[in-house]
Amino acid sequence: KAGVTQTPRYLIKTRGQQVTLSCSPISGHRSVSWYQQTPGQGLQFLFEYFSETQRNKGNFPGRFSGRQFSNSRSEMNVSTLELGDSALYLCASSFKGRQETQYFGPGTRLLVL
Amino acid sequence: QQQVKQSPQSLIVQKGGISIINCAYENTAFDYFPWYQQFPGKGPALLIAIRPDVSEKKEGRFTISFNKSAKQFSLHIMDSQPGDSATYFCAASRAGTDKLIFGTGTRLQVFP
Repeated sequence: KAGVTQTPRYLIKTRGQQVTLSCSPISGHRSVSWYQQTPGQGLQFLFEYFSETQRNKGNFPGRFSGRQFSNSRSEMNVSTLELGDSALYLCASSFKGRQETQYFGPGTRLLVL
Repeated sequence: QQQVKQSPQSLIVQKGGISIINCAYENTAFDYFPWYQQFPGKGPALLIAIRPDVSEKKEGRFTISFNKSAKQFSLHIMDSQPGDSATYFCAASRAGTDKLIFGTGTRLQVFP
């Protein structure tokens, strides 16, 4: 089985722009979660989706949004980018979304200038 | 209450030695405690996980010890190898969700 794939892998944006990141989970997995990883804050939970429904949301401003499609693929969007949004954005998937093994993708590294 | 505290921040161990990383949590609703290993340029990968109904779980050279009353759990890596050099994260979650609260990470370096 192919692993979790994330596109793009690298992205450079300027302040004020918006960005959309994509995540394709492992085939058959219905749960997708997103995390932000920075040297200062570590790994922080952004969203959790299961069968197109947002099940949990982390403590991030409304500029961060996401969605999940019927094929379980997920996107997250960040509007009005700030310098502090520079981070590695990781996506993880699991089969049922109930404390099973989560498989992480390689991440999208976003740099905001 | 949502925090998971992890120590040490970095750890240097000689090949063949034992690496020990500790974590503590406050939220008693947490009932799943995984450890993840992350190599540079890669996403985290699940190493081993434990639930509060057992005090210890061993998989190969990796062992989780869990102390429910103290709300602490730790990862022991026996016979540490240079290939174990990576960043290790403890995490915790509540029932019915994949949402993970991660510790701050421990950078392990194993020297030959």
